[in-house]
Amino acid sequence: AAGVIQSPRHLIKEKRETATLKCYPIPRHDTVYWYQQGPGQDPQFLISFYEKMQSDKGSIPDRFSAQQFSDYHSELNMSSLELGDSALYFCASSLGQNNSPLHFGNGTRLTVT
Amino acid sequence: DAKTTQPPSMDCAEGRAANLPCNHSTISGNEYVYWYRQIHSQGPQYIIHGLKNNETNEMASLIITEDRKSSTLILPHATLRDTAVYYCIVIVRRGGNTPLVFGKGTRLSVIA
Repeated sequence: AAGVIQSPRHLIKEKRETATLKCYPIPRHDTVYWYQQGPGQDPQFLISFYEKMQSDKGSIPDRFSAQQFSDYHSELNMSSLELGDSALYFCASSLGQNNSPLHFGNGTRLTVT
Repeated sequence: DAKTTQPPSMDCAEGRAANLPCNHSTISGNEYVYWYRQIHSQGPQYIIHGLKNNETNEMASLIITEDRKSSTLILPHATLRDTAVYYCIVIVRRGGNTPLVFGKGTRLSVIA
């Protein structure tokens, strides 16, 4: 079965640079979620989109923005990168129906040097 | 959303059943119990969820107490590949697209 696809798998950036992470949800899933997981931490919710509109907002820094496109893929844009942004970034998708479980991709590992 | 409490770590012998407890004493009537696991540095993996009835699928069984204040995830025959952090999450799914909030899970080590 098709899963959530994230790209790139690994990304190395320098401080103050920008980064764009991409997420392709499972076909027919209309909701996308972004999570950040720092070293030794639990996943933290950043932001989500339902039918291309922002749905919920978590602890996403102002330097980050995201959107969901007409084909339901999503991009997380990160500017003025800081060392503390080094983390695993997971995308998940679900059907916007009651209690449909979230399915996660295998993440993008961002390293900021 | 209800707060959950899980033991920080557990060991289980390979081939035996792994029983992972979760306390959610402040759960409300419309909150579901979800279980996910995360194998080292991989994306969290959905296991099972339920409201008040016990549930079973190909991966695991979920036993919810009658008062819904606690639940147990059962992996019937644990293998080394079940070594992971297991998260119990209690949440109201508003319209189906409510994000999950991960707390501290249980690190399960399956031992040969």
